[in-house]
Parts: sequence; C-alpha cells; structure tokens
Amino acid sequence: KNQVEQSPQSLIILEGKNCTLQCNYTVSPFSNLRWYKQDTGRGPVSLTIMTFSENTKSNGRYTATLDADTKQSSLHITASQLSDSASYICVVSAQAGGSYIPTFGRGTSLIVHP
Amino acid sequence: NAGVTQTPKFRVLKTGQSMTLLCAQDMNHEYMYWYRQDPGMGLRLIHYSVGEGTTAKGEVPDGYNVSRLKKQNFLLGLESAAPSQTSVYFCASSPEAYEQYFGPGTRLTVT
Repeated sequence: KNQVEQSPQSLIILEGKNCTLQCNYTVSPFSNLRWYKQDTGRGPVSLTIMTFSENTKSNGRYTATLDADTKQSSLHITASQLSDSASYICVVSAQAGGSYIPTFGRGTSLIVHP
Repeated sequence: NAGVTQTPKFRVLKTGQSMTLLCAQDMNHEYMYWYRQDPGMGLRLIHYSVGEGTTAKGEVPDGYNVSRLKKQNFLLGLESAAPSQTSVYFCASSPEAYEQYFGPGTRLTVT
C-alpha cells in the first residue's frame, strides 16, 4: 500500500528562525512529489513539485529536496514569518496507467511565534 | 478567473438525507478530484475524473457517487448521508496530472 509519512506532526518556532520538515514515502511507481501549504479553513496551495530527476526546488523562502534512492524529501523554510503558520502537506503521486494517483501525508502543523 | 469554486460552503444534513456538492473550474482543466479531510488525517481521494464523461474510484469511494457531464463541473453526491460522512470536502482540478488547484472546501455535518 502506498504511504506517505511526515514528521514532526507539529512544530513551534520563533519568527525569523529556520526549520525543516520531513517526508518519507513508499509509493510505486513514483511519478512526482509535491509540497502544499494549507492555511486554516482554506484549501491547500502548491509550493513545489519535483519529478524523479530533480533533487531540489526552491520557491522564495521554501526549498524542497528529494532523494529518490532513500525515498525521502524535506521542506526547508528560511527566516520564518508569522504568515508561515499553517499545515504543510507532502503529496506523492504514483503513475497508474494514464492516470496519476496522489497519496497525501497527514501534514506538519507549523506555528510561528513572534 | 475564479479558479475552483465549491457550492455550498457549509451544510448540515440529517442521517439518510441526500445532497449534491458542486465543483466548478474555469481553467479548462481535464482532471478533477474530490477529497475528504478529517481531523488528524491526510486528504483522502474519493473519486476523480480524467476528462468529461469519465469518472474513477479513489481510495474511499463508498457512499459517494460522482458525475462529470460537463468539463468544467464535477458533482459529488451523497445518496443517504451517514454521520461518518461528516467532513470537509475539497475539490481540485489540474491541467495534467501534476499540479492541482484546490477549491475553498465544503464543511458538511451529518447529524
């Protein structure tokens, strides 16, 4: 069964600090990995997307890495801001015929304190 | 360009009642998805569609039906609502299988 595990489950940091969120997956055959940000009461918004051949992707203060050999990904947030408080979701898609079936992690809840 | 919209935003149903959730997208996307999100759990795929007139089951399809009669609309139906279907429902669309754009969600309570 395809699975995506995220850690930590929750994280509290001070404004201005950096943090790293982890994602481990067992999804086959691997197609792509995405990180989403979900604010409370809103739908998820895409941060980065990586395919098998990519090992790093940046979007402003967000940098995602992918190690396809160990099936691990991380999301690094630099110089955190209060607006970074949200749930961060790792999504890994498997290719099934002509379709791509996503498996979602449970998310890491990040709280940034002033 | 409204993106992905969902109707209604909130709904309370009694056990056994039926309802339809509407998802609409104005981006001409081929793929559309319905998810449910429960506390402490990741989003789970209910049904999806890879084009007008096509639908397929996801991870948790039981108790739900879907239709994609028009490319821009994806309907999710509950024929006989149960308390276990209390959840937040998200619709998403994508131009191909990679990038998904999510709607704002529908909060459904079944009493």
